[in-house]
Amino acid sequence: DSGVTQTPKHLITATGQRVTLRCSPRSGDLSVYWYQQSLDQGLQFLIQYYNGEERAKGNILERFSAQQFPDLHSELNLSSLELGDSALYFCASSVMPGADEQFFGPGTRLTVL
Amino acid sequence: GENVEQHPSTLSVQEGDSAVIKCTYSDSASNYFPWYKQELGKRPQLIIDIRSNVGEKKDQRIAVTLNKTAKHFSLHITETQPEDSAVYFCAASIITGNQFYFGTGTSLTVIP
Repeated sequence: DSGVTQTPKHLITATGQRVTLRCSPRSGDLSVYWYQQSLDQGLQFLIQYYNGEERAKGNILERFSAQQFPDLHSELNLSSLELGDSALYFCASSVMPGADEQFFGPGTRLTVL
Repeated sequence: GENVEQHPSTLSVQEGDSAVIKCTYSDSASNYFPWYKQELGKRPQLIIDIRSNVGEKKDQRIAVTLNKTAKHFSLHITETQPEDSAVYFCAASIITGNQFYFGTGTSLTVIP
């Protein structure tokens, strides 16, 4: 157990819908990262937050948004869902941006039907 | 930004043989290079890392080497076992920077 929690574990929804994925970082970690992993694909970096502020953006679609709250948990919002958004979404946390190990959560498997 | 390339994409070895996975990076400012192992359906987990002030690091059957001049680093697994079968990702980052740049992954299969 990495100490990073993600909910829900599985999510099945329909095209056009909106969902929210939640992540709680390890105690003491200020930085949160979101990744998308499609079937047989690598880890696509989406976005990073540090202490409540957005620090870096990767290949995140305009239909997706995220935020980090004062208690440091983070939410990834996916809207107008398409079949191609079906993937495993990982959250990771670290003490500082870019520093040392990123600890990954168990992931949320999103299936869009 | 940084670009990390990883080869090979798939690798099959006989149990007991060695496996080598190679990565190259483009940004000479990168100074931290972790390797993650992801078993099927599970989260990526750090298995070993190296900083740019070190040329090699070992942990039991796993070792990582870094050539800063050539901008490449490699993962070496000796005496492979079936439980080493997984996808391995390399990454590069700048300590105090904002993100890790991951390679595309290598699917390693160890044949008993």
